[in-house]
Amino acid sequence: AQSVTQLGSHVSVSEGALVLLRCNYSSSVPPYLFWYVQYPNQGLQLLLKYTSAATLVKGINGFEAEFKKSETSFHLTKPSAHMSDAAEYFCAVFTGGGNKLTFGTGTQLKVEL
Amino acid sequence: EAGVAQSPRYKIIEKRQSVAFWCNPISGHATLYWYQQILGQGPKLLIQFQNNGVVDDSQLPKDRFSAERLKGVDSTLKIQPAKLEDSAVYLCASSFASVIFLEQFFGPGTRLTVL
Repeated sequence: AQSVTQLGSHVSVSEGALVLLRCNYSSSVPPYLFWYVQYPNQGLQLLLKYTSAATLVKGINGFEAEFKKSETSFHLTKPSAHMSDAAEYFCAVFTGGGNKLTFGTGTQLKVEL
Repeated sequence: EAGVAQSPRYKIIEKRQSVAFWCNPISGHATLYWYQQILGQGPKLLIQFQNNGVVDDSQLPKDRFSAERLKGVDSTLKIQPAKLEDSAVYLCASSFASVIFLEQFFGPGTRLTVL
């Protein structure tokens, strides 16, 4: 069964610093991976997705993620954090048919001045 | 383009009471999903509809949860009777179809507190 693990339930960075949110996957077949962001009291919004076309995926708001098969990872990065990036971030993987997603437990990102 | 609408946004009930949540997906989206998001966890799929038919309800606690999508548009999720462990945010999402890679668009959710 496919699953994802997010390391670190809380990450704190200074404004302008590098953001690195970790996601590792477990899959017996090539996975299709996603990052979603959830702002307070809002639904989830798709940041980016990996569909095997390119290992480096660029998303919205300056985020990107790199698929590394050797490390079974799909970490999310942003070169320079902004206060508006403070939110919860979820890694997800397609499981089974019918467009079904399985989410990780989430990482709460805090951005400090 | 209007997004996925959900109501109510917040609901507080006592255990053993009943509650219902409503979702209106994006116009033209054939696939509708209900997720349960417990505090500190990622969303978990409860049920998926394709038009007005159920595609997957394997994680829906059918002894107390029910859902319907009449006419393939709006959907209602019901809990009867509620338990303390049902306290969570219930998210509705929709996509154009059940084809892999298609983005799921999420509503703001309904936060349920069971006392």
